[in-house]
Amino acid sequence: SQTIHQWPATLVQPVGSPLSLECTVEGTSNPNLYWYRQAAGRGLQLLFYSVGIGQISSEVPQNLSASRPQDRQFILSSKKLLLSDSGFYLCAWGQGAGEKLFFGSGTQLSVL
Amino acid sequence: GEDVEQSLFLSVREGDSSVINCTYTDSSSTYLYWYKQEPGAGLQLLTYIFSNMDMKQDQRLTVLLNKKDKHLSLRIADTQTGDSAIYFCAEIRNAGNMLTFGGGTRLMVKP
Repeated sequence: SQTIHQWPATLVQPVGSPLSLECTVEGTSNPNLYWYRQAAGRGLQLLFYSVGIGQISSEVPQNLSASRPQDRQFILSSKKLLLSDSGFYLCAWGQGAGEKLFFGSGTQLSVL
Repeated sequence: GEDVEQSLFLSVREGDSSVINCTYTDSSSTYLYWYKQEPGAGLQLLTYIFSNMDMKQDQRLTVLLNKKDKHLSLRIADTQTGDSAIYFCAEIRNAGNMLTFGGGTRLMVKP
């Protein structure tokens, strides 16, 4: 069966520090991978998606970036965090027509 | 306006039925989904319906789709306190393979 792992679960970082959140998927190959951000427990904002290794599409211009160094690994990064980067970050994977998304457990990021 | 809209809150008593509503704008939507998010957790896929269906039932969950009005609803029968969560509807369209989410409805179940 497929599983998705996301870590860390919580993170407190000072403004201006770098960020690296990692997401890995097991039990499937060539998944579509997504990073979402959820502010204040509300709606989901799609940040990045990837249909293959090295293929990243950005939905929202910001100081975040994403990389997919391996088929089942998706990384969200920042060189310098802003206060506005605080939120709940969710990784998800999907595959095929009628794309059902399966989400990781999320990372609560607090930038202070 | 938003492509997918939901009301912000719904409060029901334990044992009552809950109905969470969602409207969408794109008539090319092919699949529509309901996700549940418990506090501090990721989203869990509850159920989904293909656009050529009017209704889908799965145990306590009933999904109704009115394509003419572009209206989707999720009915939870015999609502329990464990059903308290945020419920998101989402759609996927013919043109692509990405989901568009509504803003979520927070369901509060009172004992």
